[in-house]
Amino acid sequence: GESVGLHLPTLSVQEGDNSIINCAYSNSASDYFIWYKQESGKGPQFIIDIRSNMDKRQGQRVTVLLNKTVKHLSLQIAATQPGDSAVYFCAENGGNAGNMLTFGGGTRLMVKP
Amino acid sequence: NAGVMQNPRHLVRRRGQEARLRCSPMKGHSHVYWYRQLPEEGLKFMVYLQKENIIDESGMPKERFSAEFPKEGPSILRIQQVVRGDSAAYFCASSKDRPNTDTQYFGPGTRLTVL
Repeated sequence: GESVGLHLPTLSVQEGDNSIINCAYSNSASDYFIWYKQESGKGPQFIIDIRSNMDKRQGQRVTVLLNKTVKHLSLQIAATQPGDSAVYFCAENGGNAGNMLTFGGGTRLMVKP
Repeated sequence: NAGVMQNPRHLVRRRGQEARLRCSPMKGHSHVYWYRQLPEEGLKFMVYLQKENIIDESGMPKERFSAEFPKEGPSILRIQQVVRGDSAAYFCASSKDRPNTDTQYFGPGTRLTVL
């Protein structure tokens, strides 16, 4: 079936470095993508989203890139801080017929001081 | 503007008991979703509701699980005759508009432990 997946289960970076978290999706009908951050014991927190008519969107210290040709999504975090340590999930909405978010398996980001 | 609220945050039940999880969406949001998360896994969709209507329950187990979103009051996820395999974190999300056009915002979750 269609699915959203992540390449790396764990990413360890030095404080101050940039982080890149990748996500592959297989549903070609997907037109809306979201990145969530989940800290231990908490619910997913919205970070940034992007629609399929865009290939890049920037927020505060975060950038999402969408490559529809290869069905790839990435989250870039600039100047990674200890507070960025969490599990990051990408999610897609399945296109116009979607009633749910389909989540990837998650990538754990560990920031070393 | 309060976010999505869920209660209880932690719930312990013995096998065979009933679990009731409550969710109040963000103000102005009329679309509610329930997801389930096992440890170290992503969230799995269970059900999508609007006021008084179940729109999509394709992720709900066929037995023992039910959900409602009444005209007044919170959305309720009800699990009857719980089993150990029901132990998980249950998250509620809400959105202002339809799921394919709007962001879903999540609550803090209810962690259900079945003894």
